[in-house]
Amino acid sequence: RKEVEQDPGPFNVPEGATVAFNCTYSNSASQSFFWYRQDCRKEPKLLMSVYSSGNEDGRFTAQLNRASQYISLLIRDSKLSDSATYLCPRRENTGFQKLVFGTGTRLLVSP
Amino acid sequence: ETGVTQTPRHLVMGMTNKKSLKCEQHLGHNAMYWYKQSAKKPLELMFVYNFKEQTENNSVPSRFSPECPNSSHLFLHLHTLQPEDSALYLCASSQEGAVSSYEQYFGPGTRLTVT
Repeated sequence: RKEVEQDPGPFNVPEGATVAFNCTYSNSASQSFFWYRQDCRKEPKLLMSVYSSGNEDGRFTAQLNRASQYISLLIRDSKLSDSATYLCPRRENTGFQKLVFGTGTRLLVSP
Repeated sequence: ETGVTQTPRHLVMGMTNKKSLKCEQHLGHNAMYWYKQSAKKPLELMFVYNFKEQTENNSVPSRFSPECPNSSHLFLHLHTLQPEDSALYLCASSQEGAVSSYEQYFGPGTRLTVT
């Protein structure tokens, strides 16, 4: 089983829609989680860290469910500019500092 | 955004060439990373440098040789590469320590093509 699993999509949604992605992980060690977005042929850009209590940044809301081992990202009022691949790496809080990535979820927002 | 810069942005090299990729971070971070992103594959960590000391080599072939002269600069020296090494090479940095968010910030990458 992959350490980080994401539905590759693509998720096709109209402008203004609400869309949610999940990301499941298999390693139960104490760890941190993040959401990044990556545009085609560009570098990943940090969207937000994911906190245990959940966190919100404008139209974006991230949730962590440790018991079920998944994190989620909710995007409200989708914009055309939200079209990208969304990555949810995890890292362990002790020992190695590496981020473990999945393949990402592709979002396409259409007019 | 110029927090993490990389040069060159594009590189085409033959299998017998030697070249180097350069990364510089302007964020005052103490850890730097090399990642590889091949087509249709997840990003893979190659090397980690913490306080200029290499703390992880993720089973990377010896034809890739990292160098970290100080906490702001990171190089990846390349020699006798194979066509399957063609990929996007990304540098990242973070601030590691007792009170840290562990957030990593990426440079724009070098798109490498090995012919």
